[in-house]
Amino acid sequence: NAGVMQNPRHLVRRRGQEARLRCSPMKGHSHVYWYRQLPEEGLKFMVYLQKENIIDESGMPKERFSAEFPKEGPSILRIQQVVRGDSAAYFCASSTYRGRDEQFFGPGTRLTVL
Amino acid sequence: AQTVTQSQPEMSVQEAETVTLSCTYDTSESDYYLFWYKQPPSRQMILVIRQEAYKQQNATENRFSVNFQKAAKSFSLKISDSQLGDAAMYFCAYRSASTSGSRLTFGEGTQLTVNP
Repeated sequence: NAGVMQNPRHLVRRRGQEARLRCSPMKGHSHVYWYRQLPEEGLKFMVYLQKENIIDESGMPKERFSAEFPKEGPSILRIQQVVRGDSAAYFCASSTYRGRDEQFFGPGTRLTVL
Repeated sequence: AQTVTQSQPEMSVQEAETVTLSCTYDTSESDYYLFWYKQPPSRQMILVIRQEAYKQQNATENRFSVNFQKAAKSFSLKISDSQLGDAAMYFCAYRSASTSGSRLTFGEGTQLTVNP
C-alpha cells in the first residue's frame, strides 16, 4: 500500500516562473491537505481539498497560489510568478473520506527560488 | 484561533536517558486531538503519538508517552531510553474534532539531539 506521493521532490525555479507541485494521496483517501514549512519554522496549513472541492483555503496566500484536486489525477498546488520568499518545503497529507482521521504525510517538495 | 507553543527550541539527552519535550496550546474548544510528530533529517513527517482530549488516560507508544493536562492545556512528550535514532525535530500539533476542523496547527518545533 503506497503512501502519499509527492513530486517532484526538489524543484528549482527562477523568480517569475511558475511552480507546480503534485500530490497523490494514499489509496482510498479522498481528502488532501497542503502545508508549507519555511526554513527553521513549523508547518503552516495552506488548503484543504476533497475531490473537486476546496473545503478550506484560509491559509492560502490571496495571490499567485491556487490548488485543485480533480476527480481523476493528483492534487496540484500551483504557484505563479514565484518569488524568493516562496522557497520552502511543501508537504501534502491525505486522510480518509471522513476527513477527521489521521493525516498521512508525503515526503514533501523542496522549492528553491533563485 | 488555536495556537500551539513549544518553548524549547533545542533539547539534548544522553543515549539511554529520558527526556521530556514541552508543549502548550490555546483553544476554546472542548473536543480536539493532540499529536506529536517527528521530522528526521529526511524531512518526512512521522506520527509519534496522538491523544484524544476526551480521554483522561495518557497515550503511550512503546518508549514514547505523553503527559496530557487538559485544564492546564499542556501536552508534553516523554521519550524513555533515548536512542540515537530519536534525534530529530519534534512538532506538537492540534486538531479540532469538529466536522469542519480538519487542519493541523503546529508548534515551532523542538530540535532533539541524542548524545552517545
